[in-house]
Amino acid sequence: DTGVSQDPRHKITKRGQNVTFRCDPISEHNRLYWYRQTLGQGPEFLTYFQNEAQLEKSRLLSDRFSAERPKGSFSTLEIQRTEQGDSAMYLCASSLVGETEAFFGQGTRLTVV
Amino acid sequence: GQNIDQPTEMTATEGAIVQINCTYQTSGFNGLFWYQQHAGEAPTFLSYNVLDGLEEKGRFSSFLSRSKGYSYLLLKELQMKDSASYLCAVRDIGGGGNKLTFGTGTQLKVEL
Repeated sequence: DTGVSQDPRHKITKRGQNVTFRCDPISEHNRLYWYRQTLGQGPEFLTYFQNEAQLEKSRLLSDRFSAERPKGSFSTLEIQRTEQGDSAMYLCASSLVGETEAFFGQGTRLTVV
Repeated sequence: GQNIDQPTEMTATEGAIVQINCTYQTSGFNGLFWYQQHAGEAPTFLSYNVLDGLEEKGRFSSFLSRSKGYSYLLLKELQMKDSASYLCAVRDIGGGGNKLTFGTGTQLKVEL
């Protein structure tokens, strides 16, 4: 296991379509985070899981966004009825409880046209 | 809420030293992080400060003053590969796990 893996790396979709991204964290990492990053900005927190439980969601996460981590391993982030404003890099990170460092994946770049 | 400020851009010369400042306001401070991010790549962890003082790690050092809400990242012996965005991030007490609030990042350009 070499790190946090995200799929796909790039996604272009038409406005109004649904998209789903996947994140595979580092093995044994029980915490998993989703962030969104737009050009020239730092990452913005969206949500986080400890094992399979979703413990916190940002108010940025509208009801069109849903995230799951059904078995406490990989996670999916779905965006329904995409809008142009959803265009961004979606980053996943993972960490161990009690550890300081969170490791980021390379992200999924979403372009809504 | 939290407010994090850092310069948007900086330019420095190869071999020199550069200091990137970060100021923050938070209701319950629980650690400050610095990440490096090359264009199109994932942020990578550089340093973590939770107590006042200087943490040194090779060519990189990070300083924290909690009373002033201030941190800096010091990069020595600059190399061209250090051209990247440097992100300051704060963790809040009561924040979930390692949930971080990031600044907008400082784009560092290293020139010959």
